[in-house]
Amino acid sequence: DTGVSQDPRHKITKRGQNVTFRCDPISEHNRLYWYRQTLGQGPEFLTYFQNEAQLEKSRLLSDRFSAERPKGSFSTLEIQRTEQGDSAMYLCASSRTGGETPRNEQFFGPGTRLTVL
Amino acid sequence: LAKTTQPISMDSYEGQEVNITCSHNNIATNDYITWYQQFPSQGPRFIIQGYKTKVTNEVASLFIPADRKSSTLSLPRVSLSDTAVYYCLVGDSSNTGKLIFGQGTTLQVKP
Repeated sequence: DTGVSQDPRHKITKRGQNVTFRCDPISEHNRLYWYRQTLGQGPEFLTYFQNEAQLEKSRLLSDRFSAERPKGSFSTLEIQRTEQGDSAMYLCASSRTGGETPRNEQFFGPGTRLTVL
Repeated sequence: LAKTTQPISMDSYEGQEVNITCSHNNIATNDYITWYQQFPSQGPRFIIQGYKTKVTNEVASLFIPADRKSSTLSLPRVSLSDTAVYYCLVGDSSNTGKLIFGQGTTLQVKP
């Protein structure tokens, strides 16, 4: 399967702990995105990369959140000192810019569900 | 980015055609109209995108009037497996780098 993969699929942690999620995009995609989704809401944009450069961060992404894409391939999203309000589904997506690709087509992974106790 | 307004929920029966309308009164000239589908515990999936008039693919049709202030997603002959949340988005993420999702429309298909 060559879709977007995310690891782990589920994470339960205690408040105050640090967690790290990994996303592996579709191999030829130059853009990678992180979103957060809470129950009953649509996904909210957090940040995106073009190759290894992080081009935009949402104001939702407090200084406890950091994302990297060191070699322009996989990405990690770290949350430090987790809070109960961080409980959500964290979605990763990737896309390829240019060519015949529809401008708003992003391919989403299955998500990582975080529960902070 | 332009906001969208769509019904919170809709019910249908298997075999019927379903039309979901979305309002986007403040759509910008360079915005595209895109629909995504999301099943529980899965990431959203791109369905269709258009700029004006009508677009059709193997899954759905998208109708966009000349003023582009609204759009209608048409799903022909729905089945139980079409039960999902459908999101209408406007924008151009190839420039802005982001998709802006609203609350979506929860479609329930009944047997």
